[in-house]
Amino acid sequence: QSVLTQPPSVSAAPGQKVTISCSGSSSNIGNNYVSWYQQLPGTAPKLLIYDNNKRPSGIPDRFSGSKSETSATLGIAGLQTGDEADYYCGTWDSSLSALVFGGGTKLTVL
Amino acid sequence: EVQLVESGGGVVRPGGSLRLSCVASGFTFDDYAMSWVRQAPGKGLEWVSDINWNGGSTGFADFVKGRFTISRDNAKNSLYLQMNSLRAEDTAFYHCARQRRKSGYPLYIDYWGQGTLVTVSS
Repeated sequence: QSVLTQPPSVSAAPGQKVTISCSGSSSNIGNNYVSWYQQLPGTAPKLLIYDNNKRPSGIPDRFSGSKSETSATLGIAGLQTGDEADYYCGTWDSSLSALVFGGGTKLTVL
Repeated sequence: EVQLVESGGGVVRPGGSLRLSCVASGFTFDDYAMSWVRQAPGKGLEWVSDINWNGGSTGFADFVKGRFTISRDNAKNSLYLQMNSLRAEDTAFYHCARQRRKSGYPLYIDYWGQGTLVTVSS
């Protein structure tokens, strides 16, 4: 049972936009920055978004992040088949004194 | 280019021990905190432990407290995870990861290694 809650799967057609939600509480998302990670099949996770909405160098602006109170959202626009992956949210939990992650969301590009 | 290369995984019996290593390159190792994050096959990410830049501060997930220790050797650009009293539920890929912090608190992980597989089985 993950501390952060994500939908197990989402799907959309190529070229469309999809959003992935991440729900937490005041001890984690509510008072700390959120990050998002992409894990392509058979590879290590890769940082997509940090500090709620910032993109590391090399991450296209098709990827966006937002946060509102105790929830965060990852948006992926202009979907490509290469975006098929598992996506995880993460943040610091002040009560647990631990980095926590969501259970992951599998994106299928139909 | 940042590279994190883990080693030391393998098959171990319940109750046994294993020591994982991670060699870092492409950045100034002692400028950064480091983490271990694990992923059971087909499952999600779980933070295991982290250590600050000089080894003076460490953190552990509840499920490994008292069993695992984390350390680093900045002269060798290396991170370690000593795992004792291993259980079947510790079976996972263990990723070495570079951690970003603010005011001493972990913020996110910006680079991950490919991971080394630890299998605990009789």
